[in-house]
Amino acid sequence: DAGITQSPRHKVTETGTPVTLRCHQTENHRYMYWYRQDPGHGLRLIHYSYGVKDTDKGEVSDGYSVSRSKTEDFLLTLESATSSQTSVYFCAISESQRQIVYNEQFFGPGTRLTVL
Amino acid sequence: GNSVTQMEGPVTLSEEAFLTINCTYTATGYPSLFWYVQYPGEGLQLLLKATKADDKGSNKGFEATYRKETTSFHLEKGSVQVSDSAVYFCALTDSWGKLQFGAGTQVVVTP
Repeated sequence: DAGITQSPRHKVTETGTPVTLRCHQTENHRYMYWYRQDPGHGLRLIHYSYGVKDTDKGEVSDGYSVSRSKTEDFLLTLESATSSQTSVYFCAISESQRQIVYNEQFFGPGTRLTVL
Repeated sequence: GNSVTQMEGPVTLSEEAFLTINCTYTATGYPSLFWYVQYPGEGLQLLLKATKADDKGSNKGFEATYRKETTSFHLEKGSVQVSDSAVYFCALTDSWGKLQFGAGTQVVVTP
């Protein structure tokens, strides 16, 4: 299994509070991704990173920010959590994006976030 | 934009039954196609992939053929087991290599 951990695995928070989710990899892969999984929507890309300090927005980036100060860590921050951000969040890594067909994305175990 | 449509679940089957999960896509260019599987409480794992028209991906008894003429990538397995109970996601890559997922199909296999 690819070495990807996410923390915390479960979190309950209140509307308006800041929340940070962490993804840590031991594979030294260049690309890292944050997705959210919601019923009826599959997984949707929030943000991704193509290197240290290099990030870009995905499909559903509003209300989220990310940071990557080290190859191994990719942080997702909800500055002011809302109930619509209740979801399961998955981190993924890949060695290359352009050659994704040969370098699959490996997913972490997920973080279940509930915003009350 | 690109999109992936797959059949809604849950699909409930008896052990040893034949499984088909339909997946169709809309995309510009020539995307690569994937099936991912998510077992309960886990992240997604790549099940199989196909990179060009008429390619057949296969793994663990599952198969899917990239059909450009029908823009489809249906997943099939001839004899399912209880351990195949999971959520299956069809996906494609866009021109930048980012994955676009379908909504997922839950499969429940009963003994």
